Amino acid sequence: EAQVTQNPRYLITVTGKKLTVTCSQNMNHEYMSWYRQDPGLGLRQIYYSMNVEVTDKGDVPEGYKVSRKEKRNFPLILESPSPNQTSLYFCASSLRDAASGYTFGSGTRLTVV
Amino acid sequence: DAKTTQPTSMDCAEGRAANLPCNHSTISGNEYVYWYRQIHSQGPQYIIHGLKNNETNEMASLIITEDRKSSTLILPHATLRDTAVYYCIAPGAGSARQLTFGSGTQLTVLP
Repeated sequence: EAQVTQNPRYLITVTGKKLTVTCSQNMNHEYMSWYRQDPGLGLRQIYYSMNVEVTDKGDVPEGYKVSRKEKRNFPLILESPSPNQTSLYFCASSLRDAASGYTFGSGTRLTVV
Repeated sequence: DAKTTQPTSMDCAEGRAANLPCNHSTISGNEYVYWYRQIHSQGPQYIIHGLKNNETNEMASLIITEDRKSSTLILPHATLRDTAVYYCIAPGAGSARQLTFGSGTQLTVLP
């Protein structure tokens, strides 16, 4: 089944403890992206990647890192999480670019205390 | 990206057609219109997209006006499971960065 898989689905962590949210797609998509969703603010893009080793900032990149060493994986790294990064995170992929049609993962609900 | 405007909320009776409007008066000639929906806290789901002609797939139909300034997403026989936020997006041709999700329309299908 074609899908975007995120792990974990739920995570509670403490301030400052580094964490990684994994994202993997099995559709050979070139474009991958991370969004966060907060009440009243909608979906906002954190980072995106046009292809392997090509990443760029979205609208809210502060406090996050990403890497794209392989086409299928696009992990989101929080080096020193803070409470304002408590949010619902979505990974998405598309064949070529944002206009190709996204497939979203099921989401990761992160709580930083 | 072209700016899109959608009603904040709509209700629809179960079994009836749900017609969700979207205004995109600043859309340029080569910009597609995309529709996604998000069922509570799940990942957004692609529904349909179109450029000029009306489009239909197994989920919905998309009617785009001749001047392309507005479109309507039609769910022909709405069910309770169609209750979701529906987003109309015009990302721009060759958009490298992102889809900009606005506030969308909260569709509530009533029994």
